[in-house]
Amino acid sequence: KNEVEQSPQNLTAQEGEFITINCSYSVGISALHWLQQHPGGGIVSLFMLSSGKKKHGRLIATINIQEKHSSLHITASHPRDSAVYICAVRSNYQLIWGAGTKLIIKP
Amino acid sequence: NAGVMQNPRHLVRRRGQEARLRCSPMKGHSHVYWYRQLPEEGLKFMVYLQKENIIDESGMPKERFSAEFPKEGPSILRIQQVVRGDSAAYFCASSPWKSSYNEQFFGPGTRLTVL
Repeated sequence: KNEVEQSPQNLTAQEGEFITINCSYSVGISALHWLQQHPGGGIVSLFMLSSGKKKHGRLIATINIQEKHSSLHITASHPRDSAVYICAVRSNYQLIWGAGTKLIIKP
Repeated sequence: NAGVMQNPRHLVRRRGQEARLRCSPMKGHSHVYWYRQLPEEGLKFMVYLQKENIIDESGMPKERFSAEFPKEGPSILRIQQVVRGDSAAYFCASSPWKSSYNEQFFGPGTRLTVL
């Protein structure tokens, strides 16, 4: 069993829909990252969480430390949000990566 | 304040050649991490370096791969005698200190293709 599990693996939605991507982990962590990888391969760090909730524009990330679970939400989704969204947890100084969720937003 | 820089962005090598990938961390960052993303797979940790020190190389293949982060200049990931299986995207990240709560900032990656 992977230490970091993401769901769903693939998600296709219509423009404007509310999107939720989930991440569960089984190891002790000091922080959790959400990152975005665009088709060209570049990676952008979206959030780093150790508790609670963070919001940036249309993106919201939450984490429940007791349940070892985090969610990334996208409100009013747009085709430019199409990318792979990756959850990674920090254990010591390594990042343990989820497999990613491929999101496609159709106009 | 420039972000993490990696060069080249794309590198093509023939089997048996050497590949050198460079990573310039953000200004003021003295910790560098290298990750590899194989086609259709997630990123995998390779090595963590501080200036002039390798802290953790548990993710590095035992042969042909080496990394350094000299006192001056960029961090270098070196792959000797490349094989087709080395074709991947290699990402570098940097942080200012080891603190677990510190965010790693990622470079754009180098895409290595071995012919």
